Amino acid sequence: DADVTQTPRNRITKTGKRIMLECSQTKGHDRMYWYRQDPGLGLRLIYYSFDVKDINKGEISDGYSVSRQAQAKFSLSLESAIPNQTALYFCATSDGDTYEQYFGPGTRLTVT
Amino acid sequence: GQQVMQIPQYQHVQEGEDFTTYCNSSTTLSNIQWYKQRPGGHPVFLIQLVKSGEVKKQKRLTFQFGEAKKNSSLHITATQTTDVGTYFCAGRWGSGTYKYIFGTGTRLKVLA
Repeated sequence: DADVTQTPRNRITKTGKRIMLECSQTKGHDRMYWYRQDPGLGLRLIYYSFDVKDINKGEISDGYSVSRQAQAKFSLSLESAIPNQTALYFCATSDGDTYEQYFGPGTRLTVT
Repeated sequence: GQQVMQIPQYQHVQEGEDFTTYCNSSTTLSNIQWYKQRPGGHPVFLIQLVKSGEVKKQKRLTFQFGEAKKNSSLHITATQTTDVGTYFCAGRWGSGTYKYIFGTGTRLKVLA
């Protein structure tokens, strides 16, 4: 959905580099999520946030950190990238009524 | 920990045949969602099931939530090539959290 944007869409980086993936939304939702997708493993939750002051670890938070700069922005950082963090990363938002999640287009990250 | 097992991992069907994917949790779910991801795309919300024994239909798609709220299924009648993609379930446990854990997905291929 154009309502949820992710930058960059593709990124190749080297082992040990710090990298930030950004997510912005215009849906006015409080809840935002970061997922990682690997073939055969589905979508795994990295971090989620229910408002600017609330950050929660998901299933696989080790090696990642997040920042909720505003209601509309939720960034994911890899402090020191490693090859097994090569994956497709999705940001998602949801509202407080339906809990339906709206996904961004994804960021394909390759760590060499 | 909380997880949903989803089977099968892959399914190839002839166009016109039916298709079913199943999700199971060892503990009672609060609700379950279903998403579809087209090849190269992002997950798109299909439906949410909340009530025990709930059945919902969307054209050729039928979604069921088990009586014990531990399992769910998605059935597609008379598949079409437009049904190609990966189908995910996502479960939520308890009422005090808004995080969802995704199943590993079922990848559907439809042969014309």
